[in-house]
Amino acid sequence: EAGVTQFPSHSVIEKGQTVTLRCDPISGHDNLYWYRRVMGKEIKFLLHFVKESKQDESGMPNNRFLAERTGGTYSTLKVQPAELEDSGVYFCASSSRHDQPQHFGDGTRLSIL
Amino acid sequence: QKEVEQNSGPLSVPEGAIASLNCTYSDRGSQSFFWYRQYSGKSPELIMSIYSNGDKEDGRFTAQLNKASQYVSLLIRDSQPSDSATYLCAVLAGGYALNFGKGTSLLVTP
Repeated sequence: EAGVTQFPSHSVIEKGQTVTLRCDPISGHDNLYWYRRVMGKEIKFLLHFVKESKQDESGMPNNRFLAERTGGTYSTLKVQPAELEDSGVYFCASSSRHDQPQHFGDGTRLSIL
Repeated sequence: QKEVEQNSGPLSVPEGAIASLNCTYSDRGSQSFFWYRQYSGKSPELIMSIYSNGDKEDGRFTAQLNKASQYVSLLIRDSQPSDSATYLCAVLAGGYALNFGKGTSLLVTP
């Protein structure tokens, strides 16, 4: 069974540019989560999808971040325009049910210059 | 503010010894508790989950939960150099979002 895959593994962009991160959850997992870890801090929740519906986006920092999950399969997280403080590692996780353990991808390391 | 606290370490133990990793949490409504292992640049890998008070054993790993004290721990028996990693404590408090500690760095020396 393939795990959670994320693309790209690294992204370096300049302030003001746009970046889109992609996550493919484990097949059959309806629950998909985005998290972020900024340097020196703990991993923090961003948002949660059940199939194509956003269940909780309370962790999204601001309206420069847009997450989608069209068709309930893969998800994208777009940052537009990127700011310096957006640098960090963005993790995606999935689970079969919301009360089941979440399985994480390797993350996308995002650097804003 | 839901907080999960871990000692950042590094915790250094000799090969073959028992490594003890500790975690406290602030939300008394927390229901599910997880330990993840993370190697540098890799995904957090789930190694243990525990939902009720007491001990849960899986191979060389034992998770211990004490909800009255708001405390969860992970014991690694017969530690190996390959166990050297950062161990993340994560807590689910009735919602969908995991609350993570900053992690404890473990170094197992040959």
